[in-house]
Amino acid sequence: EDKVVQSPLSLVVHEGDTVTLNCSYEVTNFRSLLWYKQEKKAPTFLFMLTSSGIEKKSGRLSSILDKKELFSILNITATQTGDSAIYLCAVYSGGGADGLTFGKGTHLIIQP
Amino acid sequence: GAVVSQHPSWVICKSGTSVKIECRSLDFQATTMFWYRQFPKQSLMLMATSNEGSKATYEQGVEKDKFLINHASLTLSTLTVTSAHPEDSSFYICSARGARERNIQYFGAGTRLSVL
Repeated sequence: EDKVVQSPLSLVVHEGDTVTLNCSYEVTNFRSLLWYKQEKKAPTFLFMLTSSGIEKKSGRLSSILDKKELFSILNITATQTGDSAIYLCAVYSGGGADGLTFGKGTHLIIQP
Repeated sequence: GAVVSQHPSWVICKSGTSVKIECRSLDFQATTMFWYRQFPKQSLMLMATSNEGSKATYEQGVEKDKFLINHASLTLSTLTVTSAHPEDSSFYICSARGARERNIQYFGAGTRLSVL
């Protein structure tokens, strides 16, 4: 059974801090790993990672994948209160379900 | 681009009634749509996968007669919760995937279902 584990489950930091969110996975026929940001409603797509060692970057957010160690990290630098959300990691695999397997998410709270 | 609209955003119904939720891809053709369910403080759980014009594939433990899925066109999928009961109360989210970006799913805003 495919499994995605995120840590920490919750995190409270102050504005301006840098945070690192972790995602490890065990899946059959790994295809890609995706990060989403969920603020109360629809998860918003952030990154898709398919290759090891290649950093994806968008503004203050960046992410990288390690296919050998089966994990990914999502970094957010100079955090702002608007970064407060649940960050979901999901893996798309070729085995079994065609949908994404999600982790439980990291609930990030940025305090002013 | 890649906008998915889900309607309604919130519905309250009496036990025993049926509720239909719509999911539309607004600016792309969705060859595949997915329906997820999310419990409080839990992750999204895949319920079923539907491809346009064919029957949906349900995950283990999901009753296909209770959660009817129709994907009649490349831009619309519907989920009907039949004879809803309080235990069906949950947050239902759809997602859509196009033919070009096969690994990326774009999500609707979700539907909060409360069954009294």
